[in-house]
Amino acid sequence: SQQGEEDPQALSIQEGENATMNCSYKTSINNLQWYRQNSGRGLVHLILIRSNEREKHSGRLRVTLDTSKKSSSLLITASRAADTASYFCATGPYYGGATNKLIFGTGTLLAVQP
Amino acid sequence: GAVVSQHPSWVICKSGTSVKIECRSLDFQATTMFWYRQFPKQSLMLMATSNEGSKATYEQGVEKDKFLINHASLTLSTLTVTSAHPEDSSFYICSARFIAEAFFGQGTRLTVV
Repeated sequence: SQQGEEDPQALSIQEGENATMNCSYKTSINNLQWYRQNSGRGLVHLILIRSNEREKHSGRLRVTLDTSKKSSSLLITASRAADTASYFCATGPYYGGATNKLIFGTGTLLAVQP
Repeated sequence: GAVVSQHPSWVICKSGTSVKIECRSLDFQATTMFWYRQFPKQSLMLMATSNEGSKATYEQGVEKDKFLINHASLTLSTLTVTSAHPEDSSFYICSARFIAEAFFGQGTRLTVV
């Protein structure tokens, strides 16, 4: 299977704390993306990091990428109850293009307690 | 951002019947769309790549005669689950890429009774 793995599988924290999720993948990539999914809903794109980038920020999100270890992490700072969702990393083997399929990691279920 | 609309959001059908799920790109043209399946509390598994005007490409282990895909226009792909059985009950999600980003439909919850 090409599917990547994420850890932890589930994470429960208090509002205001930081949440860190890790993703490992198997193939060579040109970019890695993080998505969020609320229960029973579609996916929302959060952030994309390219293989030549090591770190990227977007609001309260911070993503790192280590291509030598084939791993990425997503940090959500100052978490809120509304951040409760499942988070997935996804990789595509080639850069750009409309035909490139995404392979998703196993996901992390984040629960933020108010 | 680009919008992908999926219909219906949920459907309950009897075992042995067929169900059609539609995926539309509302404000862009998508020559390629992707169909995923998701079991409860699990990740998305790619089922097939839908190509406008040609045959879909199925992932290993996915029965093409069971999951019929038609991509007849640049904005519409359909997934038909034929002769559905309870084990086909799942959450089905489509996506289409616009520039470097993938946009997802809201998903269809299929329950076969």
